[in-house]
Amino acid sequence: GNSVTQMEGPVTLSEEAFLTINCTYTATGYPSLFWYVQYPGEGLQLLLKATKADDKGSNKGFEATYRKETTSFHLEKGSVQVSDSAVYFCALSDHSGGYQKVTFGTGTKLQVIP
Amino acid sequence: DGGITQSPKYLFRKEGQNVTLSCEQNLNHDAMYWYRQDPGQGLRLIYYSQIVNDFQKGDIAEGYSVSREKKESFPLTVTSAQKNPTAFYLCASSIGDRAGYSNQPQHFGDGTRLSIL
Repeated sequence: GNSVTQMEGPVTLSEEAFLTINCTYTATGYPSLFWYVQYPGEGLQLLLKATKADDKGSNKGFEATYRKETTSFHLEKGSVQVSDSAVYFCALSDHSGGYQKVTFGTGTKLQVIP
Repeated sequence: DGGITQSPKYLFRKEGQNVTLSCEQNLNHDAMYWYRQDPGQGLRLIYYSQIVNDFQKGDIAEGYSVSREKKESFPLTVTSAQKNPTAFYLCASSIGDRAGYSNQPQHFGDGTRLSIL
């Protein structure tokens, strides 16, 4: 079956530091890949997505590139802010058994300190 | 503004009691989903529905039930058979899988936190 592996957190960074959160996946076929962000007490919000190999998703200064050769979709940001503190989920989506099946990673908590 | 509304935000269950979590969407999405979130375990799929009057079990359906009588609504009942119901429950929707829309994201509500009294 499909699986998503994320680096374990928490990740603690100082403001303006460079962020990388690693994500690798296992899937049959050609999934779409997503990063979602969850703020405390809230649901998940889509951060960015990529639907095919070599696509780069970007939003709010975050970027991730769909690397089929390494089955990875690492999240990066050049300069984090305190407001980026949240839990980040990597996910893949494909057509499986007649429905859109989404597999989530376990989440990586990011804490940015002033 | 379109979105998904979950209620209540907090819910407490007594022993032997069934409780129902509400999920309503006005995004005109065909597909709806229920997930359970436990610390350190990510999201696990409980039930999903691709269309009105049809739903399927997900990975952890035991002790839960759902209905889909209207496109906008997908309530989840946590029955007394669910022995460990304490968790954060998330409802989501998406366009659905018609014509290969598996590249579309899911939209989430703000969740319901269920605890045992």
